[in-house]
Amino acid sequence: GAGVSQSPSNKVTEKGKDVELRCDPISGHTALYWYRQSLGQGLEFLIYFQGNSAPDKSGLPSDRFSAERTGGSVSTLTIQRTQQEDSAVYLCASSLAYDRAQPQHFGDGTRLSIL
Amino acid sequence: GNSVTQMEGPVTLSEEAFLTINCTYTATGYPSLFWYVQYPGEGLQLLLKATKADDKGSNKGFEATYRKETTSFHLEKGSVQVSDSAVYFCALSGSRAGGTSYGKLTFGQGTILTVHP
Repeated sequence: GAGVSQSPSNKVTEKGKDVELRCDPISGHTALYWYRQSLGQGLEFLIYFQGNSAPDKSGLPSDRFSAERTGGSVSTLTIQRTQQEDSAVYLCASSLAYDRAQPQHFGDGTRLSIL
Repeated sequence: GNSVTQMEGPVTLSEEAFLTINCTYTATGYPSLFWYVQYPGEGLQLLLKATKADDKGSNKGFEATYRKETTSFHLEKGSVQVSDSAVYFCALSGSRAGGTSYGKLTFGQGTILTVHP
């Protein structure tokens, strides 16, 4: 079966532009997560979804970041007015349920570079 | 809040050597514990997990035991191969006693392992 799919795999954009990152989770997985991997901060949690609902948005770094999920499936992470400090690898993961015992399965990530 | 501390790398070993990567954690209640591996140019892959105290997770010759008394989850392998060269991440998923950390992964900083022939 297919794993978690993310697109694009690489994105280079100019400072100030908006970007949209896409995540297609494993079929049947109700929970979806976004993380960010950067040299300075390591791996950090951004946001999670249970179905289409995001109960906790406190991990988003600023109000320039937003995310949505539709149909209990595909999710998009949008960064508005990008800044150089947004450069990182954005990882998406999904799990069967939102439960501490359920392993999260990761996609290959989107490498975002802000010029 | 929750935190995970891994031994600093990089770790360089010869093929067939014994591997230990130390991992300790701080968390409220009983979290689940995981080891993830990231091979060069690839995404994070789940290596093994343990969900309660004294559980042993194992996969591909790697093992780790959930030690509540020492809050540790050290990764071991008896004989490493060149193909094991990767970055290894220890992570925890918070329990309900941990409040808003429930279900979210907190990662260690990662340990780079290089195995030479």
